[in-house]
Amino acid sequence: KQEVTQIPAALSVPEGENLVLNCSFTDSAIYNLQWFRQDPGKGLTSLLLIQSSQREQTSGRLNASLDKSSGRSTLYIAASQPGDSATYLCAQIKAAGNKLTFGGGTRVLVKP
Amino acid sequence: DAGVIQSPRHEVTEMGQEVTLRCKPISGHDYLFWYRQTMMRGLELLIYFNNNVPIDDSGMPEDRFSAKMPNASFSTLKIQPSEPRDSAVYFCASSWGGGNYNEQFFGPGTRLTVL
Repeated sequence: KQEVTQIPAALSVPEGENLVLNCSFTDSAIYNLQWFRQDPGKGLTSLLLIQSSQREQTSGRLNASLDKSSGRSTLYIAASQPGDSATYLCAQIKAAGNKLTFGGGTRVLVKP
Repeated sequence: DAGVIQSPRHEVTEMGQEVTLRCKPISGHDYLFWYRQTMMRGLELLIYFNNNVPIDDSGMPEDRFSAKMPNASFSTLKIQPSEPRDSAVYFCASSWGGGNYNEQFFGPGTRLTVL
């Protein structure tokens, strides 16, 4: 069973629209949740990290929320731009260890 | 800081050959992780180290894979012998275990193709 799930797998929006990316996790023993961006053929860039004691984190146009009780995190990207086109991955760090368990990612296309 | 450094960036080899991937973590980080990314399975942890000691190698596929961390600034992932199904992108990441963050930073990856 997938421990971390991201739905939808792909998303296309017109430029200027707000993006809402979903991440669900089954294990409530979450320590931190980290959001990454991956461009085609590139590595992962860390966007935001939410500690288990926090409800949200913000950086510029990005805002990530965490609801442990429902097992969900959401990444909001305001006023999307074509440069936001990439794959976005969420990953959970469990309390028992330090390794990241990744979701399958959401591939985003922002059309000009 | 230069970030996590990996070499080579691309590796093409023939089945049966030995492959060695290298990683230099961010200075001061005490955790080092090796991940593998494939289309079929996504990103999976292979092994991770804390203070140069392997902590969890349950993700290592089989005995053909081995990883070492001889010091705080260098790690290798070796595949011997390599097989076509090992073709993937291999990422190294590092983090600092102090505080409550454990934010992981990734290298650019090594794209391995085994023919």
